[in-house]
Amino acid sequence: ETGVTQTPRHLVMGMTNKKSLKCEQHLGHNAMYWYKQSAKKPLELMFVYNFKEQTENNSVPSRFSPECPNSSHLFLHLHTLQPEDSALYLCASSQAQGAYNSPLHFGNGTRLTVT
Amino acid sequence: KQEVTQIPAALSVPEGENLVLNCSFTDSAIYNLQWFRQDPGKGLTSLLLIQSSQREQTSGRLNASLDKSSGRSTLYIAASQPGDSATYLCAVTAYSGAGSYQLTFGKGTKLSVIP
Repeated sequence: ETGVTQTPRHLVMGMTNKKSLKCEQHLGHNAMYWYKQSAKKPLELMFVYNFKEQTENNSVPSRFSPECPNSSHLFLHLHTLQPEDSALYLCASSQAQGAYNSPLHFGNGTRLTVT
Repeated sequence: KQEVTQIPAALSVPEGENLVLNCSFTDSAIYNLQWFRQDPGKGLTSLLLIQSSQREQTSGRLNASLDKSSGRSTLYIAASQPGDSATYLCAVTAYSGAGSYQLTFGKGTKLSVIP
């Protein structure tokens, strides 16, 4: 069991649906991250929150909307997705974004399929 | 732009063999390099983190080395076991501006240890 919990584990949604992914960390970390993992591609950083403030948006389409209400919780709101958005979405946390020698701790991901 | 390459993409070895996984990166201005393990359908588990001032790190049967000037790292696994079967990813941390640090991942090496 990791210190980072993601729900749901699997999600199938149509292109017109609205859904949200949830991430919760119990490690006392202050930085949280969303990554996208597609087949045969490296992990892609999507968003970073440091002390609840968004510090990175890696040119992510607006159909992905992150929310970080506190340092322990991170959401990814999804709407009008495309089939190419199907992927494993991973949440991670670390001590703080500036603590570059602090390892990342990952959740088990949400496997998203867009039909 | 930093690029991380892992060779080979897949590796199959008999149980008990010692093996080496390779990682190379294009920009040597890194703060650290991390090796992760990913089991099918799961998130990433941090194995070793080598700071830029270090040459190697060891944990149990794992030894990771870093040659920053040549842009290379190796992960050595001694006496491999079937439980070591997983995908191994390396990632480098570099400064991305405005007080932010970003990890760049390789695509991973899928290791299969045959009993």
